[in-house]
Amino acid sequence: EAGVAQSPRYKIIEKRQSVAFWCNPISGHATLYWYQQILGQGPKLLIQFQNNGVVDDSQLPKDRFSAERLKGVDSTLKIQPAKLEDSAVYLCASSLERQGAGELFFGEGSRLTVL
Amino acid sequence: GESVGLHLPTLSVQEGDNSIINCAYSNSASDYFIWYKQESGKGPQFIIDIRSNMDKRQGQRVTVLLNKTVKHLSLQIAATQPGDSAVYFCAEKSGTYKYIFGTGTRLKVLA
Repeated sequence: EAGVAQSPRYKIIEKRQSVAFWCNPISGHATLYWYQQILGQGPKLLIQFQNNGVVDDSQLPKDRFSAERLKGVDSTLKIQPAKLEDSAVYLCASSLERQGAGELFFGEGSRLTVL
Repeated sequence: GESVGLHLPTLSVQEGDNSIINCAYSNSASDYFIWYKQESGKGPQFIIDIRSNMDKRQGQRVTVLLNKTVKHLSLQIAATQPGDSAVYFCAEKSGTYKYIFGTGTRLKVLA
């Protein structure tokens, strides 16, 4: 079974520029998550989708971050304009919940450096 | 690749010894918990899970213990090996589909 695919793996931009990350979840997984992981910290949820609807985006900085999941499959996360503090690894995960439980499968992450 | 968790709490154990990694969770209503392992430059990988109606669950070389009274979770790794060196996170399921991660512990296995 193919895992969660993310691209690009690495991105370096200057502050105030924009960047987009792409995620393809595991086939059949209805729930998709974007997490931000700053060095030395645990992953922090930015947004989660159930099919193509947003379940929770309470921690997404909506003035600069946006995400969409068209057709309930692939998802993109965009940052515009980027700030220095956005430097982090952006992790995409998907899950197939069964009876209120189900592990998250993570991609390798997209590492963003903002200069 | 660049390490994850340079400033995390660190547990150093001798190869062959048992490791115990602890985690305090926040929501008494959380009903499902997962332990993840994250190696440098990679995404977190599932190790073991436990539902809130259980106190203990065992896997291959790993055991998770859940104490709901004090909202505490632990991961025990038997006969720790060099390949176990990584950062370990606990995650609690808090609400529908929502998973919250702890800050993590770095495990160093000494030869």
